[in-house]
Amino acid sequence: DADVTQTPRNRITKTGKRIMLECSQTKGHDRMYWYRQDPGLGLRLIYYSFDVKDINKGEISDGYSVSRQAQAKFSLSLESAIPNQTALYFCATSDLIRTGTGELFFGEGSRLTVL
Amino acid sequence: GNSVTQMEGPVTLSEEAFLTINCTYTATGYPSLFWYVQYPGEGLQLLLKATKADDKGSNKGFEATYRKETTSFHLEKGSVQVSDSAVYFCALSAQAGTALIFGKGTTLSVSS
Repeated sequence: DADVTQTPRNRITKTGKRIMLECSQTKGHDRMYWYRQDPGLGLRLIYYSFDVKDINKGEISDGYSVSRQAQAKFSLSLESAIPNQTALYFCATSDLIRTGTGELFFGEGSRLTVL
Repeated sequence: GNSVTQMEGPVTLSEEAFLTINCTYTATGYPSLFWYVQYPGEGLQLLLKATKADDKGSNKGFEATYRKETTSFHLEKGSVQVSDSAVYFCALSAQAGTALIFGKGTTLSVSS
């Protein structure tokens, strides 16, 4: 089983719908992140959380919200999806103490299409 | 602000050719530098890293040296294989534990 699991892996939805992408991890890491990947733009940070009570906006947080339900769970919500939120979304974890560098460990991605 | 610039692709090579993917960065202080690889249909995985000037990261035949004087972290491999076909991302962490900032990615295609 994957250490960082994202659900759903693929989702097609319509403009205006509410969507939640979920991420769970078994690595025991304290830090969790959501990035989106768009062709030609690389990965851009949406939100990150350093522990259960800590939520921080990233570069492109508008239109998104997150919830850190437990150390192992970090969900991303689109309250009212729009077509330009069509992208590949990645959850990632890190643990500075264990790695010394804060390197990220990624899930396999959730492909979201908004029609 | 902090940023990463990497060469645009796609890079198309024949098997056993030499590979260089350029990466330069802008950051204050002493960032940690990373190369990630994304194989088709998969998430990103760490390829190699370096945490201080003149460090060389290496893995699977790939190498990159942290050059502070040129603010660069170029990825090299002496002899690429078809299985190296993937998207490669350069990234930095400006301070220990801060979120990684990624370049736009470079697609490598290797043909036999």
